[in-house]
Amino acid sequence: KAGVTQTPRYLIKTRGQQVTLSCSPISGHRSVSWYQQTPGQGLQFLFEYFSETQRNKGNFPGRFSGRQFSNSRSEMNVSTLELGDSALYLCASSLSLAGANEQFFGPGTRLTVL
Amino acid sequence: GIQVEQSPPDLILQEGANSTLRCNFSDSVNNLQWFHQNPWGQLINLFYIPSGTKQNGRLSATTVATERYSLLYISSSQTTDSGVYFCAVEHNNDMRFGAGTRLTVKP
Repeated sequence: KAGVTQTPRYLIKTRGQQVTLSCSPISGHRSVSWYQQTPGQGLQFLFEYFSETQRNKGNFPGRFSGRQFSNSRSEMNVSTLELGDSALYLCASSLSLAGANEQFFGPGTRLTVL
Repeated sequence: GIQVEQSPPDLILQEGANSTLRCNFSDSVNNLQWFHQNPWGQLINLFYIPSGTKQNGRLSATTVATERYSLLYISSSQTTDSGVYFCAVEHNNDMRFGAGTRLTVKP
């Protein structure tokens, strides 16, 4: 069974631009969660989608948004990029809601904002 | 929100040595996982262990939920064990990661 895939793997953007990251979960998994990892703040939860609905949200500004499609694939969008948005963005999938199930992570998208 | 503390923050071992990593959490949890992050950033599942003890080869883990801690044991360490080890917990739909333990295994 294929693992979690994320595209693109690397991305360079400039301040003010917007970016869309994609995550395809393990086949049969219905929950996708997104995390941001930075050297200063560590791994922080962004949001979780289950059955095309956002179920949980971390403490991030409204510039960070996401969605989930009927095939469970998910995208996250960051608008009006800031230098501080440079980070490794990780997505994780689980069979059902992440709180009650084991999560499996993708390889991440490394975003650099110049 | 729930607090997750990992210790030690850094650990340097000689190949073949054993080690114990600790994860303390401040409230009851429904879910606890241990991960190993490799140098390329990939988080690799080690254990899903909200309670009890599990073993997988040279690695084992124990979670004592009533006392709010979990331990990860690495025996006969190898250089490929190097990297950062994270524990992650879930409490009231709030997923939190600890700051990690950076392990360096020297040949």
